Amino acid sequence: SAVISQKPSRDICQRGTSLTIQCQVDSQVTMMFWYRQQPGQSLTLIATANQGSEATYESGFVIDKFPISRPNLTFSTLTVSNMSPEDSSIYLCSVETGGVPYQAFFGQGTRLTVV
Amino acid sequence: QKEVEQDPGPLSVPEGAIVSLNCTYSNSAFQYFMWYRQYSRKGPELLMYTYSSGNKEDGRFTAQVDKSSKYISLFIRDSQPSDSATYLCAMSEGGTPLVFGKGTRLSVIA
Repeated sequence: SAVISQKPSRDICQRGTSLTIQCQVDSQVTMMFWYRQQPGQSLTLIATANQGSEATYESGFVIDKFPISRPNLTFSTLTVSNMSPEDSSIYLCSVETGGVPYQAFFGQGTRLTVV
Repeated sequence: QKEVEQDPGPLSVPEGAIVSLNCTYSNSAFQYFMWYRQYSRKGPELLMYTYSSGNKEDGRFTAQVDKSSKYISLFIRDSQPSDSATYLCAMSEGGTPLVFGKGTRLSVIA
């Protein structure tokens, strides 16, 4: 398993601003994932972040809106840029560890409200 | 049609009841099937994992996979108020990201 610390746990932001969410893992992991969880909806994968390479974004998500950094094997950030109320959601960091392919462990999430 | 369908509930049961949670899927390439439990204001935590078809039991929890019907289930026996949470099914082909259901909100009433 992996222990994942994510911060901030919640924030209220003004529209047009940006928020950077940090994710710290207690062990080195190859792949880190960023998800969005909107009320009543399933977890939607935003992007996959590998250390030393550009993040891979899923359909509907672009780097200009959700830039991601992955400077080492234990840390990643997701920035939500130029926010609008539609960006209000829970953002979750996840890691894949050895064993089951794509077995995922999650941080506690960042609850973002854009006003 | 979404890849994974899950009834969002809410589902309310009395303490001690047997709970059945289900997901259907359309992608026959899915090989890995998981159930996550998510308490309010927390991230999802892995509850059960099954590879391919069959059953897996862990205490009061049983996961079943029927690949021929593209149907997976999670059974909770002797449900407790502490089981009140949202339960999400998730699946993967292996080597691909997880695909999640919407989650079923469960309340176990004492």
